[in-house]
Amino acid sequence: DQQVKQNSPSLSVQEGRISILNCDYTNSMFDYFLWYKKYPAEGPTFLISISSIKDKNEDGRFTVFLNKSAKHLSLHIVPSQPGDSAVYFCAASAYGGSQGNLIFGKGTKLSVKP
Amino acid sequence: DAGVIQSPRHEVTEMGQEVTLRCKPISGHNSLFWYRQTMMRGLELLIYFNNNVPIDDSGMPEDRFSAKMPNASFSTLKIQPSEPRDSAVYFCASSIGQVYNEQFFGPGTRLTVL
Repeated sequence: DQQVKQNSPSLSVQEGRISILNCDYTNSMFDYFLWYKKYPAEGPTFLISISSIKDKNEDGRFTVFLNKSAKHLSLHIVPSQPGDSAVYFCAASAYGGSQGNLIFGKGTKLSVKP
Repeated sequence: DAGVIQSPRHEVTEMGQEVTLRCKPISGHNSLFWYRQTMMRGLELLIYFNNNVPIDDSGMPEDRFSAKMPNASFSTLKIQPSEPRDSAVYFCASSIGQVYNEQFFGPGTRLTVL
């Protein structure tokens, strides 16, 4: 059973608008969450993370929101740029990441159209 | 820094053959991870090492899979014998110290077993 779910396989957004990518998790032991971005023929690259003690973390155009009661997190990209077109993976870990295990969602493919 | 290096980038082999995938982590990183990405299962952790010692191999699908890390700068993932269902992209990632979660991924090896 999937512990981290990204229910939207794809998302298309106009350049300059906001992109919102969603992620749900089922394991209440998860306390650290990350977003990775992946271009074709490359490995995933770390984008942004958030600890369960926070409900928001911001880094430039990227903001991650965490709703622990709903077991839901989202990544907001504002404004979206064509270079943001990629597959975005949500990942989660328990015990602050100290166990090393990351559980990934299946990804959402974002297309930003000029 | 050159980043995580994986070889080969592409491998096509026939069922029953032995396959060896190679990984060179980023210098100074002491944790190394092997992942497999498929359409059905997404990105899943197979095994990870810390200071060259296997910590968790619970993701290794079966005995046909084995991984070694003889030193801090080299790891292998071997499949013997290979089967068509092993066809996937295999990623190696490394991280430094206790920050397991900010993992740096290699470009991956696309394996096709005919």
